[in-house]
Amino acid sequence: GAGVSQSPRYKVAKRGQDVALRCDPISGHVSLFWYQQALGQGPEFLTYFQNEAQLDKSGLPSDRFFAERPEGSVSTLKIQRTQQEDSAVYLCASSFTSGRTGELFFGEGSRLTVL
Amino acid sequence: DAKTTQPPSMDCAEGRAANLPCNHSTISGNEYVYWYRQIHSQGPQYIIHGLKNNETNEMASLIITEDRKSSTLILPHATLRDTAVYYCIVRVAGTASKLTFGTGTRLQVTL
Repeated sequence: GAGVSQSPRYKVAKRGQDVALRCDPISGHVSLFWYQQALGQGPEFLTYFQNEAQLDKSGLPSDRFFAERPEGSVSTLKIQRTQQEDSAVYLCASSFTSGRTGELFFGEGSRLTVL
Repeated sequence: DAKTTQPPSMDCAEGRAANLPCNHSTISGNEYVYWYRQIHSQGPQYIIHGLKNNETNEMASLIITEDRKSSTLILPHATLRDTAVYYCIVRVAGTASKLTFGTGTRLQVTL
C-alpha cells in the first residue's frame, strides 16, 4: 500500500494476556517509530529503529514492552501480561531517512483496550 | 528538545484564516519548528516545518519571529476538514531524534 499500515486496528485483551501489534512501513523507509497515545493526550515516543537496529528504546514503559524489526521492514510491538494502564492507541510512523526533514508518516494506529 | 506552549483550543469560522500560535522561547539554534495535525481517529499528519525563514506549502504557512521564540501556523482558508488537534514541535536537525508531542491546540472550524 501507499501508506503505513497497522494491524489490528482494534484489539481487546483481558488483563494478563499478551498482545502483538504489527506495523508495515512505507516501502524503502529506513526509520520506524512507535508511539503510545493515551486518551486526550499527545503521542508519546516508545522506540525507534533504523533498518533492523533498535537505536532508541528509552520510551518503553516497562520490560513487558518489546519491539522488533528483524528484516528492517515490518515491525512488531509486543506487550506481555497486559495491564489496564496499557490501554491506548499505538501509533507507528516511518520516514525515508533520519535526517533533518523530519517528516514522519503515521499509520492510523492500533487501539488496545485491556479489560 | 525545547518545550513548546500552545493554547489548548481555538475556534475559527469556515473560510476564514486560522492562526495558531506557538511559543518556544528556549529553542536552540539548530532546532527546527515542525507542525503536525491529528484528525480524530487518525494518525498525526505532517504539515510544515522551518528553521528561521517563513515557509509556505499547499497546506499552510509558517511564520517564525526573528528571535525564533515563537511561531504561527496559518491555514489561509479553513474548512470543516481542518478541524483537528495541531501540534507544534521543536526538534534538533540532522539527528535521528524522535518528535516530542505536547498536548497541542484543538482547532474547531465552524460553519
